[in-house]
Amino acid sequence: QVQMQESGPGVVKASETLSLTCSVSGYAINFGHHWGWIRQPPGKGLEWIGSIHHTGITYYNPSLKRRVSMSMDTPRDQFSLKLTSVVAADTAIYYCARRGAGNKLIDFWGQGILVTVSS
Amino acid sequence: QTVVTQEPSFSVAPGGAVTLTCGLSSGSVSINYYPSWYQQTPGQAPRALIYSTNSRSSGVPDRFSGSILGNKAALTITGAQPEDEADYYCVLYMAGGISVFGGGTKLTVL
Repeated sequence: QVQMQESGPGVVKASETLSLTCSVSGYAINFGHHWGWIRQPPGKGLEWIGSIHHTGITYYNPSLKRRVSMSMDTPRDQFSLKLTSVVAADTAIYYCARRGAGNKLIDFWGQGILVTVSS
Repeated sequence: QTVVTQEPSFSVAPGGAVTLTCGLSSGSVSINYYPSWYQQTPGQAPRALIYSTNSRSSGVPDRFSGSILGNKAALTITGAQPEDEADYYCVLYMAGGISVFGGGTKLTVL
């Protein structure tokens, strides 16, 4: 069974960089699939941030593209998110997730981590 | 940017049927968008229900079904249960390899 767990600081100062890591167990991330990040502001809907393919190719939400970068650490089965120049609107629960390459199903999710942008 | 549209809220009586829809601000939804549906209850991560328009994810009860209705993707719940009260999100797969979430539908079972 695939398990995913987000880690990183729960508070980030405005204008600084948010950095999160997702640790995957039960599946080798270089074996296939897309590995993605999704966020949800408190009380609001879900937003796809982007994903990184097992080959290292990245796909970013155009609205966040200028500020987002993702990377993989395949020996550790981890992948990471960096979001630069954060503002209050970036306060959200951040989920890591696995998306199927063929069927596009987001089948496994982390439990989510709340990141608050402080002024 | 293309917006994925969903009804903000819906209600259904226990045992009843309800169809939630997922559209595009411009154009029609087809199987080429690989419509998928997710259920989220308070405090929990979303759970996959339907993928590739009408395939049920593992362990999902057969009262959940997906389809294309007209120019939209649809999620139908037949025989709604109290535990089906949740937020439902559709996701469409777009050119460029990104997934786009709809705004979500809050379903009340009462």
